[in-house]
Amino acid sequence: GNSVTQMEGPVTLSEEAFLTINCTYTATGYPSLFWYVQYPGEGLQLLLKATKADDKGSNKGFEATYRKETTSFHLEKGSVQVSDSAVYFCALSDQGGSEKLVFGKGTKLTVNP
Amino acid sequence: DAGITQSPRHKVTETGTPVTLRCHQTENHRYMYWYRQDPGHGLRLIHYSYGVKDTDKGEVSDGYSVSRSKTEDFLLTLESATSSQTSVYFCATNAGGTGTEAFFGQGTRLTVV
Repeated sequence: GNSVTQMEGPVTLSEEAFLTINCTYTATGYPSLFWYVQYPGEGLQLLLKATKADDKGSNKGFEATYRKETTSFHLEKGSVQVSDSAVYFCALSDQGGSEKLVFGKGTKLTVNP
Repeated sequence: DAGITQSPRHKVTETGTPVTLRCHQTENHRYMYWYRQDPGHGLRLIHYSYGVKDTDKGEVSDGYSVSRSKTEDFLLTLESATSSQTSVYFCATNAGGTGTEAFFGQGTRLTVV
């Protein structure tokens, strides 16, 4: 079945550091790929997405590129801020039409001033 | 914001008692989902619905049932709560379509003692 493996962390960085969170997936066909973010005490919200190979999703300075050859969708940001502290989830949606999401286990990011 | 309201937000219940969690949406989205979030597991799909009275099982459906009698409401029932069902439960909705965004409620923290 479909699965997502992501770097579990926790990850602790200083403000303005470079961030990479690795995500790889296993799926049949061509799933859509997502990064969701969860701030403390809240539900998840979409950060960015890509729906086909070589697409780059971007939002709020974060980027991820859908790499079919390596089955990866790594999240990057060039300069993190304290406000980026959150839990980040990589996910894929199946192609059965129900848009069910399969999540990685999440990576907790803490950014110190 | 897709207008998703979960109730209750917190609940403590005793082992063996029935529990019902409610999810209400105001966006007329076709798909609704229940996920549980546990440390080390990320989010896992319990059940989902693809229309009124149309539901299907997810990855961790044992011990749970659902009902959707109206487009806007999706109920999750634990028939006889067990300690292993202590978790944070999230409802989500999706309008449907390839790569469409899922919108999440704020979660219900359930403790079974």
